[in-house]
Amino acid sequence: EVQLLESGGGLVQPGGSLRLSCAASGFAFSTYAMSWVRQAPGKGLEWVSDISESGRNTYHAGSVKGRFTISRDNSKNILFLQMNSLRAEDTAVYYCARDMIVGGHIVLVARDAWGQGTLVTVSS
Amino acid sequence: QSVLTQPPSVSGAPGQRVTISCTGSTSNIGSGFDVHWYQQLPGTAPKVLIFGNTNRPSGVPDRFSGSKSGTSASLAITGLQAEDEADYYCQSYDSSLSDVVFGGGTKVTVL
Repeated sequence: EVQLLESGGGLVQPGGSLRLSCAASGFAFSTYAMSWVRQAPGKGLEWVSDISESGRNTYHAGSVKGRFTISRDNSKNILFLQMNSLRAEDTAVYYCARDMIVGGHIVLVARDAWGQGTLVTVSS
Repeated sequence: QSVLTQPPSVSGAPGQRVTISCTGSTSNIGSGFDVHWYQQLPGTAPKVLIFGNTNRPSGVPDRFSGSKSGTSASLAITGLQAEDEADYYCQSYDSSLSDVVFGGGTKVTVL
């Protein structure tokens, strides 16, 4: 069974940093591109970042570029999101998601497995 | 303001057919980028319903179908059931923003 388990969320002050983790199991992690998608309270979905299977290629939304960094450790089956210079508008549930293997560029595909999410609250 | 526009809500009686539109522009859907659809039940993570405009993953009932034309896409739910009450989101890619983009979401209510 495919499982994605996020951790690392919590309360942080504006300007602070947080590192999210996503432990993957039940599939060949190193053969899938992965994503982070967030959802502010009561709002819709917003794509945050994508990373290729090897970790060599990364992509970030304009709203987080220069502040967030996606990475992965294929030896431990873990996906990360390093979040710096956090703002109130970054408050959201952050989901880890697996990109479908259907050919084409990874940012174009659907996400076919999702974790339960971890809540990040940025507030003083 | 989402790049992809969806109606905030749609409703229908059990057994009826409802459709959810996803309207984009020439920099996203109109450029030929695929549209995907997700269902988010209350308090849960999203689940993919349709990928690549019209394809259903295994396990998704054939009551759900997707279509795409020009700068828009649609999700149809036939034989509406109480368990279909959820939020639905479309997703594509925008070449002007160089971002993956989602619609604002549509809440489906079964009357």
